[in-house]
Amino acid sequence: GNSVTQMEGPVTLSEEAFLTINCTYTATGYPSLFWYVQYPGEGLQLLLKATKADDKGSNKGFEATYRKETTSFHLEKGSVQVSDSAVYFCALSGTGGGNKLTFGTGTQLKVEL
Amino acid sequence: EAQVTQNPRYLITVTGKKLTVTCSQNMNHEYMSWYRQDPGLGLRQIYYSMNVEVTDKGDVPEGYKVSRKEKRNFPLILESPSPNQTSLYFCASSWTGPQGGTGELFFGEGSRLTVL
Repeated sequence: GNSVTQMEGPVTLSEEAFLTINCTYTATGYPSLFWYVQYPGEGLQLLLKATKADDKGSNKGFEATYRKETTSFHLEKGSVQVSDSAVYFCALSGTGGGNKLTFGTGTQLKVEL
Repeated sequence: EAQVTQNPRYLITVTGKKLTVTCSQNMNHEYMSWYRQDPGLGLRQIYYSMNVEVTDKGDVPEGYKVSRKEKRNFPLILESPSPNQTSLYFCASSWTGPQGGTGELFFGEGSRLTVL
């Protein structure tokens, strides 16, 4: 079945540091890949997505590239801010799209001044 | 404002006392789903619904029931709650296109349930 593996947290960075959160996946076919973010006390919201190999999703300074050869979708940001402190979830959808998402376990990011 | 609304946000109950967590969305989405979030396990799908009167089991359906009588509502029912159902629950909804959804789920703010 489908699965998503994320690096364990928490990750603690200083403001303006470079961020990478690793995500790898196992799936049959060609899933779409997503990053969701959960701010304290809130539900998850979509951060970015990529629907096919070599696509790059980007939003709010975050980027992730769909790498089929390494089955990865690592999240990066060049300069994090305190307001980026949240839990980040990597997810994939079933082959051919669809609504069912399989989530990773989440990575907590804490950014300090 | 487009939103998914869950109630209650917080609930402490006792083993065996039936409870319902309501979920309502105002975006006319066909698809709705319930997830539970547990430390170290991420989000796991409990039940989902592709449309009115169409529901199906997710990955962890045991101990839960759902219904979809109206498009906007998708309540989660715990007939006889047990302590292992203590968790943070999220309702989510999305569009369903001809080839399935886009993957953009819209989440409620969560309902934290404690079963003693």
